[in-house]
Amino acid sequence: DQQVKQNSPSLSVQEGRISILNCDYTNSMFDYFLWYKKYPAEGPTFLISISSIKDKNEDGRFTVFLNKSAKHLSLHIVPSQPGDSAVYFCAAFGGTSYGKLTFGQGTILTVHP
Amino acid sequence: DTGVSQNPRHKITKRGQNVTFRCDPISEHNRLYWYRQTLGQGPEFLTYFQNEAQLEKSRLLSDRFSAERPKGSFSTLEIQRTEQGDSAMYLCASSYRVGGARANEKLFFGSGTQLSVL
Repeated sequence: DQQVKQNSPSLSVQEGRISILNCDYTNSMFDYFLWYKKYPAEGPTFLISISSIKDKNEDGRFTVFLNKSAKHLSLHIVPSQPGDSAVYFCAAFGGTSYGKLTFGQGTILTVHP
Repeated sequence: DTGVSQNPRHKITKRGQNVTFRCDPISEHNRLYWYRQTLGQGPEFLTYFQNEAQLEKSRLLSDRFSAERPKGSFSTLEIQRTEQGDSAMYLCASSYRVGGARANEKLFFGSGTQLSVL
């Protein structure tokens, strides 16, 4: 039972263009969402988060959008840089589950110079 | 470096052997988590501690797995009688939670211990 799904295993983007990574969830109890980035041989690193009371959160080149009715969120990276090439994980939790995150399968982003 | 530290980075063992991993969290963090990640999947929650108390365990954590966090500092994860299905990356994370401040629930992950059971 995959409660958080990232349906695109990989995404390839040209440097300077926009990268859009998508994530869908099924559990209505989820009310806090996070994106993590992971480089090879390293642990996941927190990128950006959003609470269900918002529909958008922005931090520099990174923006997360949340569509609660569709149970969908997306991460926009503008402009994309070669250093953004990594695996991106969407994660969620809700209620009192706090740090008990449910992760998606990840999307491999490759940004070409 | 004051990040989350995990040892060893790699562990190769034979089926049936016991293994133990160690995690040193960020020093001021009161919560410590263990996750497991297999190839092509995202991390899966195993268990977490608030200070020295183990507050929740996933049903993924069979009775062959045991985790401890004595004195609320470092933590160990032991797997007894390892099986080939235990081969995975074991990730430790820590966070600092104050009251109901959910926006602070950002987990800081270590680099993980890659376990290979032959």
